[in-house]
Amino acid sequence: GAVVSQHPSWVICKSGTSVKIECRSLDFQATTMFWYRQFPKQSLMLMATSNEGSKATYEQGVEKDKFLINHASLTLSTLTVTSAHPEDSSFYICSAKKTGVGTIQYFGPGTRLTVT
Amino acid sequence: AQSVTQPDIHITVSEGASLELRCNYSYGATPYLFWYVQSPGQGLQLLLKYFSGDTLVQGIKGFEAEFKRSQSSFNLRKPSVHWSDAAEYFCAVYGQNFVFGPGTRLSVLP
Repeated sequence: GAVVSQHPSWVICKSGTSVKIECRSLDFQATTMFWYRQFPKQSLMLMATSNEGSKATYEQGVEKDKFLINHASLTLSTLTVTSAHPEDSSFYICSAKKTGVGTIQYFGPGTRLTVT
Repeated sequence: AQSVTQPDIHITVSEGASLELRCNYSYGATPYLFWYVQSPGQGLQLLLKYFSGDTLVQGIKGFEAEFKRSQSSFNLRKPSVHWSDAAEYFCAVYGQNFVFGPGTRLSVLP
């Protein structure tokens, strides 16, 4: 299979604090991982593409200083929401592509962030 | 630029009835096409994909989809819906990057 995990699955934090979300490919290597944001009853919006060992590529309108992405290994990418505000509350989903294999993305279960 | 539309925001069908979810895409060349399903509070599960070849593709859970180039469509079908199929369904296209449609919410009546 191709399993992607996310941790935590649900996090509540106070305004002004930072929170880190981990995305792991459990049984395959992933040179490229993606981070999406999903608002209630809406579709997924790509935030950034994370490449192992290099800087992430952010989509237009996504603040790179607010959403810090680190892809330090072939199985782990992290998204840190810095100085979180209530408007950052959302469902964050990561996905991963198997290194050197096609275009299929395998999705994690998502992380629900609530900022109070 | 690529785009995906799913004309139906919400569909309700009775259990055992047939289902068709519509998807239309816009892309200059033949894209890769996908259908994903998302249960509440969960991530996405790949139902099926089309890359090339036979335009009728079979997926998991009894779903199939047909690629029609002339109509720029990739509609998802299932002959007999089960209550467990109630979920959100997303069509996606991969051309230059991955783009998701707005989703169709499926409700199933007992």
